[in-house]
Amino acid sequence: GDSVTQMEGPVTLSEEAFLTINCTYTATGYPSLFWYVQYPGEGLQLLLKATKADDKGSNKGFEATYRKETTSFHLEKGSVQVSDSAVYFCALSEGHTGFQKLVFGTGTRLLVSP
Amino acid sequence: EAGVAQSPRYKIIEKRQSVAFWCNPISGHATLYWYQQILGQGPKLLIQFQNNGVVDDSQLPKDRFSAERLKGVDSTLKIQPAKLEDSAVYLCASTRQGPISGANVLTFGAGSRLTVL
Repeated sequence: GDSVTQMEGPVTLSEEAFLTINCTYTATGYPSLFWYVQYPGEGLQLLLKATKADDKGSNKGFEATYRKETTSFHLEKGSVQVSDSAVYFCALSEGHTGFQKLVFGTGTRLLVSP
Repeated sequence: EAGVAQSPRYKIIEKRQSVAFWCNPISGHATLYWYQQILGQGPKLLIQFQNNGVVDDSQLPKDRFSAERLKGVDSTLKIQPAKLEDSAVYLCASTRQGPISGANVLTFGAGSRLTVL
């Protein structure tokens, strides 16, 4: 079945450092791709999405580009803040039954220190 | 708009006991999902409803887990009897969509954390 692979964490950075969290996927069709973020004690929140190849999703300074040729959707941010500390999940939507469902990666914890 | 409501937020039970979780999705959202998130892992889909019908329950351990959405609005997930490995956060999510029509966003509740001793 479809699957998502993320880099293992934790990723530890100093404030204002550049962030990359790698995500690759395996899918039989043409899924949409998502990044969700989970802050401590809170539910999953959509960070950004891309629906087709070469689309770039962006939000709150985070970006990710849907790369069909490398089956990747890496998350980047030019300058992280302490408030970005959270767990980040890459996900794809599949809909073999005709209804969309999300398949998640294992998550990558980001720790940003002042 | 109000978010996805879940209760209880925390539950501690002993193995072989039963537990139930409740979810109230966003008003008007036809599709409802229950995910299981074990510590250190990504969420795994347990069951998906479209209105009051089950779309996908292929990963639901049906010998102990059950779920219903009788009136196509709120939903209950039950575990009976619980095992140690059921310790996890149970996430409910909803979306407005019907059959696939693009990348519809799922909105998640804060989750119900279950500890089985």
